[in-house]
Amino acid sequence: QQQVKQSPQSLIVQKGGISIINCAYENTAFDYFPWYQQFPGKGPALLIAIRPDVSEKKEGRFTISFNKSAKQFSLHIMDSQPGDSATYFCAAFPTSGTYKYIFGTGTRLKVLA
Amino acid sequence: DTGVSQDPRHKITKRGQNVTFRCDPISEHNRLYWYRQTLGQGPEFLTYFQNEAQLEKSRLLSDRFSAERPKGSFSTLEIQRTEQGDSAMYLCASSHRSGSTDTQYFGPGTRLTVL
Repeated sequence: QQQVKQSPQSLIVQKGGISIINCAYENTAFDYFPWYQQFPGKGPALLIAIRPDVSEKKEGRFTISFNKSAKQFSLHIMDSQPGDSATYFCAAFPTSGTYKYIFGTGTRLKVLA
Repeated sequence: DTGVSQDPRHKITKRGQNVTFRCDPISEHNRLYWYRQTLGQGPEFLTYFQNEAQLEKSRLLSDRFSAERPKGSFSTLEIQRTEQGDSAMYLCASSHRSGSTDTQYFGPGTRLTVL
């Protein structure tokens, strides 16, 4: 069964600190890994995404690191701000056989002012 | 705003009633997805349309659930004889596959509460 495991479940970071969220997958047939940010009562919003042919992608304060051999990828939020407080989901899109995203269970991030 | 829209945003119903939700995807997107999200969990896939064809359905989509996408534009998700366990956020997403990338854009969701 295809799964994406996400950790930690919750995270508290001081303003200006680095938030790190990790995901691991168990199926090699994924070829697209997006991260979504979700605020309470809202739908998930695409934050940043990576394909497995690169090891890192950076957009502003957000960076994805990808380790293909370990089947792991992580989101780093630099200079974390209170406005970053939200739930973050990693996801994986299979290469073939299905069109659905496989989502992680989410990480609730709180950035203290 | 040309994002994915959903209607209604909130729905409260009594057990046993039927409900219908609507999703309007981004206009140039030919793929449309329905997901269900319960509190503290990630979205779970329900079904997928490419244009008007329903190409994939999850086992979560019991026979009380039906989805349509007439003319390949908007989509509706109907739940018949609602149960308390149906209470959740129902999310719609749309995409237009480019190469091997399929970036899904989500709507704001419809929160269903079954009393």
